[in-house]
Amino acid sequence: ETGVTQTPRHLVMGMTNKKSLKCEQHLGHNAMYWYKQSAKKPLELMFVYSLEERVENNSVPSRFSPECPNSSHLFLHLHTLQPEDSALYLCASSQEGTYNSPLHFGNGTRLTVT
Amino acid sequence: GENVEQHPSTLSVQEGDSAVIKCTYSDSASNYFPWYKQELGKRPQLIIDIRSNVGEKKDQRIAVTLNKTAKHFSLHITETQPEDSAVYFCAASKGNDMRFGAGTRLTVKP
Repeated sequence: ETGVTQTPRHLVMGMTNKKSLKCEQHLGHNAMYWYKQSAKKPLELMFVYSLEERVENNSVPSRFSPECPNSSHLFLHLHTLQPEDSALYLCASSQEGTYNSPLHFGNGTRLTVT
Repeated sequence: GENVEQHPSTLSVQEGDSAVIKCTYSDSASNYFPWYKQELGKRPQLIIDIRSNVGEKKDQRIAVTLNKTAKHFSLHITETQPEDSAVYFCAASKGNDMRFGAGTRLTVKP
């Protein structure tokens, strides 16, 4: 049990489809993140939500749209993706406070855009 | 923004030998430096971390050192075992902005 659950584990979609990735954390954390993991590249920070407010948006294309309805759930809505968007999308959570705390990752969604 | 460089990209050692992975960061305001291990097909998992007010931390066979002046930190694994084989990522963080290195693929040969 990871404490951070992502669904689906695998997703294949065409460039004209619309789909959503879901993340749920059971750790009582107050911050959630989306990272993109591509082969031989660093984990790329996409979005950060702290106390359900978006605090970071690293120039991610608008075809990726995050949603954080509450502190336990995070979504990534996808539309008109490109083949280069194929990657492992990792959700993470952490407890923000006086000191930095580590990220707890989910198992990721392996996305293939055809 | 923060830029984290990690070396080497691949590392192969004999079982029982030591392994060292090095990272540098660019933002002097970064104050938290975790290390993650990712086995094939699995999620990254925290193995050790260090805060900027500490120079060294050890947990059994794993140790991390931090040189704030030079802005570099290193992971040391002693007495390596085949199950240590994985990809290791360093990260540098300030607030909730955590940036990762590109990873080191460690192979421990029995």
